[in-house]
Amino acid sequence: DTAVSQTPKYLVTQMGNDKSIKCEQNLGHDTMYWYKQDSKKFLKIMFSYNNKELIINETVPNRFSPKSPDKAHLNLHINSLELGDSAVYFCASSSAGEEQYFGPGTRLTVT
Amino acid sequence: KNEVEQSPQNLTAQEGEFITINCSYSVGISALHWLQQHPGGGIVSLFMLSSGKKKHGRLIATINIQEKHSSLHITASHPRDSAVYICAVRSNQFYFGTGTSLTVIP
Repeated sequence: DTAVSQTPKYLVTQMGNDKSIKCEQNLGHDTMYWYKQDSKKFLKIMFSYNNKELIINETVPNRFSPKSPDKAHLNLHINSLELGDSAVYFCASSSAGEEQYFGPGTRLTVT
Repeated sequence: KNEVEQSPQNLTAQEGEFITINCSYSVGISALHWLQQHPGGGIVSLFMLSSGKKKHGRLIATINIQEKHSSLHITASHPRDSAVYICAVRSNQFYFGTGTSLTVIP
């Protein structure tokens, strides 16, 4: 069983559209994260959720919104997509103070 | 200036060599992570350190909190170690280094 899964793996969409990326973990972790890796392979944290509370919220555009229906899921919604949003988005999870487990990534291409 | 600096940026080694990747940071931290990103894109957490030294197989990670410096060592390197190694620190938020691209030649 995959510990941290993301769907879809690839997402191609046009500017201005609204899209969502889903993340699920079956590890019983209490914290989940979203990261963005840009074309230069630089990783940056976007959000993390602990027990359904946002605990880190980086200076990302408010077009990005995390949604956590339960402890095992943290979905990423993106409104009014822009060309600069093209990147690989990684979900991860961890127990408090422990190592993170990463999902396989979602490659978003905005045309 | 990035809060986390790694060196070298690129590294090529012959199979069997001892490899060291360095990470320096400028913020107060609660933990330091070493991550490995495979050529296919997947990311694996190798170590999480807050002090001292940890060892997993051929990989060793050390951290010196006073000097704000960590090293990742790979003993008896193998072509399958070829990957990008990323240092990340947890302060009030997470900060990432730009990664070290390692290529191990048979």
